[in-house]
Amino acid sequence: DTEVTQTPKHLVMGMTNKKSLKCEQHMGHRAMYWYKQKAKKPPELMFVYSYEKLSINESVPSRFSPECPNSSLLNLHLHALQPEDSALYLCASSRTGTHASTDTQYFGPGTRLTVL
Amino acid sequence: QKEVEQNSGPLSVPEGAIASLNCTYSDRGSQSFFWYRQYSGKSPELIMFIYSNGDKEDGRFTAQLNKASQYVSLLIRDSQPSDSATYLCAVIIGNTPLVFGKGTRLSVIA
Repeated sequence: DTEVTQTPKHLVMGMTNKKSLKCEQHMGHRAMYWYKQKAKKPPELMFVYSYEKLSINESVPSRFSPECPNSSLLNLHLHALQPEDSALYLCASSRTGTHASTDTQYFGPGTRLTVL
Repeated sequence: QKEVEQNSGPLSVPEGAIASLNCTYSDRGSQSFFWYRQYSGKSPELIMFIYSNGDKEDGRFTAQLNKASQYVSLLIRDSQPSDSATYLCAVIIGNTPLVFGKGTRLSVIA
């Protein structure tokens, strides 16, 4: 089973709202990722957690705050977002988190976020 | 600079034909190569991965890797309209996470 789940599927929020995106995997993977994808563009890496520690932050604005409560769960807390943050937010997981040559990433279905 | 290049397309092929998707990469330290398929509005779905020079076949899909020439390709035999999607090439370079190409849009015409 290579399933990564994400909730909610769709989210509409105002610029003053606080919301969270959730991601879960039960494959025993030790790395989890957040990506942002705009239309007709490839996924853009935001954060990487490896063994529950933040290992990569791709200079993401502080209005996005990741959290990894345990090895199966990954959250993305959203606050004071801008309309240009509207996008598909993808979660992925991989086995080792060491970016070894065999570290295949599996994606969840994504959360479609609209910021009004 | 780590770059992965793909022709954005669209690549149009008739149903039943072979679709050939190509990807080049700039870093000779690249180790692993992945092809993802992404339908409009959906998330990327892993199609194949390849680590070694040569061909790797899985059903109608064949990945080809040539490290000397720094390219990786994906062949889709007996193309079907359901294969119409964007195909993303992604590469692990050194100790960094995936680097994605911009994707090639494939259209299979019935």
